[in-house]
Amino acid sequence: ETGVTQTPRHLVMGMTNKKSLKCEQHLGHNAMYWYKQSAKKPLELMFVYSLEERVENNSVPSRFSPECPNSSHLFLHLHTLQPEDSALYLCASSQDTGMSTDTQYFGPGTRLTVL
Amino acid sequence: GDSVTQMEGPVTLSEEAFLTINCTYTATGYPSLFWYVQYPGEGLQLLLKATKADDKGSNKGFEATYRKETTSFHLEKGSVQVSDSAVYFCALENQGAQKLVFGQGTRLTINP
Repeated sequence: ETGVTQTPRHLVMGMTNKKSLKCEQHLGHNAMYWYKQSAKKPLELMFVYSLEERVENNSVPSRFSPECPNSSHLFLHLHTLQPEDSALYLCASSQDTGMSTDTQYFGPGTRLTVL
Repeated sequence: GDSVTQMEGPVTLSEEAFLTINCTYTATGYPSLFWYVQYPGEGLQLLLKATKADDKGSNKGFEATYRKETTSFHLEKGSVQVSDSAVYFCALENQGAQKLVFGQGTRLTINP
């Protein structure tokens, strides 16, 4: 238990569906992250939020839309996805001190399958 | 840009064998280096880290030393157990970047 929870743990959706992934951290951190983990590829950073403001967006398609209503919650809204978007989506949080010793803590992930 | 290269997997060993998983990196500046572990069905957990050259990170019998001269951070364990079966990720983060750069992961299987 890392203090970062994600729901749902598994999600199957069609290409025309709209769904949302939820992440919650109980660590009092100020920064939150979305990563995508695809088979045989390195983890890809998608979005970074610091104090509820987006600070990085790594050229992610607009069919992925993040939302950070407060420092404890992070959402990833999904719409019109493609089968190649099937992956494990990982959320992480960190204290956000900007120090090199700051550690990211990961949630268990949501396994997404797009049919 | 920054990058991390890990040895290709999968790696299969017998219990009590010696483990080395190689990791080398390319980075500007002076990054912090990490090893994360992902057990089946779970997210990533920090295993150990080192924040400057010659630092040694250690945890659960695993060790890795930050070698600036060879830009490496190899993971070692003297005697592996079946419970060590997992995927291991090497990663770096440049100071203040708030961005982890991961290697592709190495799947480790330990047979009894």
